Amino acid sequence: AQSVTQLDSQVPVFEEAPVELRCNYSSSVSVYLFWYVQYPNQGLQLLLKYLSGSTLVESINGFEAEFNKSQTSFHLRKPSVHISDTAEYFCAVSLSGGYNKLIFGAGTRLAVHP
Amino acid sequence: EPEVTQTPSHQVTQMGQEVILRCVPISNHLYFYWYRQILGQKVEFLVSFYNNEISEKSEIFDDQFSVERPDGSNFTLKIRSTKLEDSAMYFCASSENGGATEAFFGQGTRLTVV
Repeated sequence: AQSVTQLDSQVPVFEEAPVELRCNYSSSVSVYLFWYVQYPNQGLQLLLKYLSGSTLVESINGFEAEFNKSQTSFHLRKPSVHISDTAEYFCAVSLSGGYNKLIFGAGTRLAVHP
Repeated sequence: EPEVTQTPSHQVTQMGQEVILRCVPISNHLYFYWYRQILGQKVEFLVSFYNNEISEKSEIFDDQFSVERPDGSNFTLKIRSTKLEDSAMYFCASSENGGATEAFFGQGTRLTVV
């Protein structure tokens, strides 16, 4: 079975500071990896995903995540956060191939302060 | 941009009543999912649906739950006899090609059982 651990439930940070949200996963088979973002009172939006190929993936709004197979991690980073990045961030995995469900971590609440 | 739409956005029901949560997935998508998020907890998989049948369900998805694609565009989740612990945000999602592509989520239906 697969599982996802997000090590930090809350991350407070000042505007323009760098941030890293940590995600580790457990799986005995190949997985796809995702980061979803949930803004207050909204649904889940895909931020970025790793399916194969380059281990560093980037989003359009400056976030990036690196797949590290040996450490079974997929940490999310941004070099300089904005107030508007305040949201809940969920790491998720799915089995590669087929119609497989997403298994989510518990989420990390990123709070960006001025 | 195509999106998954869910109705209603908020439903209040009395314990023991039946509720139907409605979703319109993206039109060319083939895989459909329901997830739920109890307040303050992680997003949990309920059920996946492909080719007009359930492809996988979680242990949460017991006999009180059912899903249906009644007319080729809607995808519904029915809870036959609601319990207080069914109170949660329910998210519908669809994807074009299962786990290999992005799952698009609706805005959610907040179900409150009183």
